[in-house]
Amino acid sequence: KNQVEQSPQSLIILEGKNCTLQCNYTVSPFSNLRWYKQDTGRGPVSLTIMTFSENTKSNGRYTATLDADTKQSSLHITASQLSDSASYICVVSANTDKLIFGTGTRLQVFP
Amino acid sequence: EADIYQTPRYLVIGTGKKITLECSQTMGHDKMYWYQQDPGMELHLIHYSYGVNSTEKGDLSSESTVSRIRTEHFPLTLESARPSHTSQYLCASSRGTGIYEQYFGPGTRLTVT
Repeated sequence: KNQVEQSPQSLIILEGKNCTLQCNYTVSPFSNLRWYKQDTGRGPVSLTIMTFSENTKSNGRYTATLDADTKQSSLHITASQLSDSASYICVVSANTDKLIFGTGTRLQVFP
Repeated sequence: EADIYQTPRYLVIGTGKKITLECSQTMGHDKMYWYQQDPGMELHLIHYSYGVNSTEKGDLSSESTVSRIRTEHFPLTLESARPSHTSQYLCASSRGTGIYEQYFGPGTRLTVT
């Protein structure tokens, strides 16, 4: 069964600190992996999209890594800001148009 | 910000009422999607369309229906709302399949009493 699992389920950090979110997937065949940021009550916004051949991609303070062999990805947030408080969703696409969503990691950044 | 819009943003309605959730995009995307998301849970695809007059059911069974008469417009209709339909409904669009990004609207939070 195609699945995407994320950890931790929730995370609290202080402003200015770094953090890393994890994603494991069992989707096959693999096409691409995406990280989305979803603010409360809003739609998800894309942070990165990575294909099989990419093992790292950055978007400002966000850096995603992908290990297609172990089927793992991580999202590293550097120098966190209050506005980073949101849910971060890992999404994997098989060789179709369908996206398989994880349940997300809820990040709270406190001053 | 993506040019994809949903109305209403919030809707509280009684059981048995007919409702239509609106979704429109101004990016000229052929592909559009409806997802359902319960609090703290993952998004599930309920409907998608690859263009005008094309509609398909997604992975999650839904009693809702959709139509695609114009490229920019993809409304979702519930003929008779029930409390089990209470959820957040997210509309998305993309230029193509595969690596193309899906842009999401802000969502409609539906509560059926």
